Amino acid sequence: DQQVKQNSPSLSVQEGRISILNCDYTNSMFDYFLWYKKYPAEGPTFLISISSIKDKNEDGRFTVFLNKSAKHLSLHIVPSQPGDSAVYFCAASANSGSEKLVFGKGTKLTVNP
Amino acid sequence: EPEVTQTPSHQVTQMGQEVILRCVPISNHLYFYWYRQILGQKVEFLVSFYNNEISEKSEIFDDQFSVERPDGSNFTLKIRSTKLEDSAMYFCASSEEGRGLNTEAFFGQGTRLTVV
Repeated sequence: DQQVKQNSPSLSVQEGRISILNCDYTNSMFDYFLWYKKYPAEGPTFLISISSIKDKNEDGRFTVFLNKSAKHLSLHIVPSQPGDSAVYFCAASANSGSEKLVFGKGTKLTVNP
Repeated sequence: EPEVTQTPSHQVTQMGQEVILRCVPISNHLYFYWYRQILGQKVEFLVSFYNNEISEKSEIFDDQFSVERPDGSNFTLKIRSTKLEDSAMYFCASSEEGRGLNTEAFFGQGTRLTVV
């Protein structure tokens, strides 16, 4: 039951270029979406989030776009840096009294110098 | 910067033994969670805890699992009789708010549980 899908297990980009990580969801009750970054042997680190009332949220080099009609969100990193190399997880929650996050399987981003 | 801390970082236990994983959430947070990640799979929700009681649990969180906040700072996950399939990375998380007030959860470094 994959309610949150990250269809690209890996992505490789050149330093300085844009990284675009994609996420699709199926549950129309989701109304809050988050991106987490995870390094090996560490816990997920919160990166950026977006509420369903918005279609874009920007924080420095990171921008998240939400297309509710397509049930799709994306994370843009520009410019990409080697330190951005990590696994990126998309997560979602529903405003139904539940606090739980539903995670995608993750996309491993490699930024090459 | 405040952080969620977990101990131990790695726990090896024999099948059938009880284990307790410990977490110290961020001090002003009110909502606490356990998630796990089996190797190669996605991060899965186990349980959420608020106001000294479980607010939601997943189907994974069966009678073998329990959580407790024994004092004002610690939050523990107990597995009564471990099985091989319990081997995973267990993450504790906490957040300031929940219940419809969107806020991010902050995760600890994880405890790698290996059941042999």
